Amino acid sequence: DIQLTQSPSTLSASVGDRVTITCRASQSVSTWLAWYQQKPGKAPKFLIYKTSTLETGVPSRFSGSGSGTEFTLTINSLQPDDFATYYCQQYNSYPLTFGGGTKVEI
Amino acid sequence: EVQLLESGGNLVQPGGSLTLSCAASGFTFKDYAMNWVRQAPGQGLEWVSIIFSDGLRTHYSPSVKGRFTISRDTSKNTLFLHMSSLRTDDSAVYYCAKVVSAATIALESWGQGTLVTVSS
Repeated sequence: DIQLTQSPSTLSASVGDRVTITCRASQSVSTWLAWYQQKPGKAPKFLIYKTSTLETGVPSRFSGSGSGTEFTLTINSLQPDDFATYYCQQYNSYPLTFGGGTKVEI
Repeated sequence: EVQLLESGGNLVQPGGSLTLSCAASGFTFKDYAMNWVRQAPGQGLEWVSIIFSDGLRTHYSPSVKGRFTISRDTSKNTLFLHMSSLRTDDSAVYYCAKVVSAATIALESWGQGTLVTVSS
């Protein structure tokens, strides 16, 4: 199984900050990596697929990069609505796996 | 608009069985692979299973393989997860999720989830 390790697990930030979350894979997933945002009590929201392609309607302050085993999610100019937990997920091989999550808090 | 509505969650005893349903609308259900993902209370996301549009190809997480069965009824636009030999660590909110496309199996749309509690 491919393990995904996210860092940091918790991130304290302020409105307007630039935030970067890292996702490291235990083996290469090529560019088959997605990112999700989840708020308490809600279903995850799809943000990015194939490492860097934004889902329709996702603000352009979100961006993704990387390949192989190291990936990043960057949020430029953090907005109040962005405080949430973020998960990476690989879909290169089965079983599909998620990272442990990064909570972005004030 | 894609809508996914899970149902069937309940309190069940260890060793018991339960079947979850996910009613899909707003897209051509027969053309898309579908997934189940779960989240234990206060924990992260765990992928459970996928079934492809042909209804034949399936994959499972090692933690549920041999105990859970995913299926779909194209005539009713409904996804199912039959769970047996349930354990306390199967307690979670279970989400169904639609993929982006046949070529991209990232999880584009999610239901609101249904809660399964396994306890005596």
